[in-house]
Amino acid sequence: EPEVTQTPSHQVTQMGQEVILRCVPISNHLYFYWYRQILGQKVEFLVSFYNNEISEKSEIFDDQFSVERPDGSNFTLKIRSTKLEDSAMYFCASRGDWGGQPQHFGDGTRLSIL
Amino acid sequence: GIQVEQSPPDLILQEGANSTLRCNFSDSVNNLQWFHQNPWGQLINLFYIPSGTKQNGRLSATTVATERYSLLYISSSQTTDSGVYFCAGGVQGAQKLVFGQGTRLTINP
Repeated sequence: EPEVTQTPSHQVTQMGQEVILRCVPISNHLYFYWYRQILGQKVEFLVSFYNNEISEKSEIFDDQFSVERPDGSNFTLKIRSTKLEDSAMYFCASRGDWGGQPQHFGDGTRLSIL
Repeated sequence: GIQVEQSPPDLILQEGANSTLRCNFSDSVNNLQWFHQNPWGQLINLFYIPSGTKQNGRLSATTVATERYSLLYISSSQTTDSGVYFCAGGVQGAQKLVFGQGTRLTINP
């Protein structure tokens, strides 16, 4: 069964550094998402992306965050200047462009900011 | 936006017991998914169930869309069922998922 793949599985970064989290969605999917989960809390929506542009973003997704689909297969989340509170598990998800379809999640990237 | 409430927040059972987890929504959704988060943090998709009933082995789920709730049933629990169970709902458009706070299930041997 096709999967959403995320790399790296764990990223440790110094505060203030830029970090890029990478995702390869399922190949024929057209909707892409990033979510995050702070340790011990619920999963929160960050941003959705369709037709090469952001379709919706949450208030968490401020100017420090950006997303990009640089080629036909990758979908990235960039955090420009990381803060301690950015430490979380980040999940990528994708969905097909037809009705009645679930979102498929990757295994996540655990981001630790020191 | 919609609010998602899950109950109970914690559930401790003996191996072999049955359990029912509930998810209530503040508004209608047209996408509803149940997930199991394992100890490694992975979100395992259990069901996509905007309405009706589905079964997969010892697990089944029912969504009553008109009353804005969904139930997840686990029968003959095993220790490997332990973890956090999340439900999440989405509405029209890009259908971002709004997650509940989760139910932490602990199955003791």
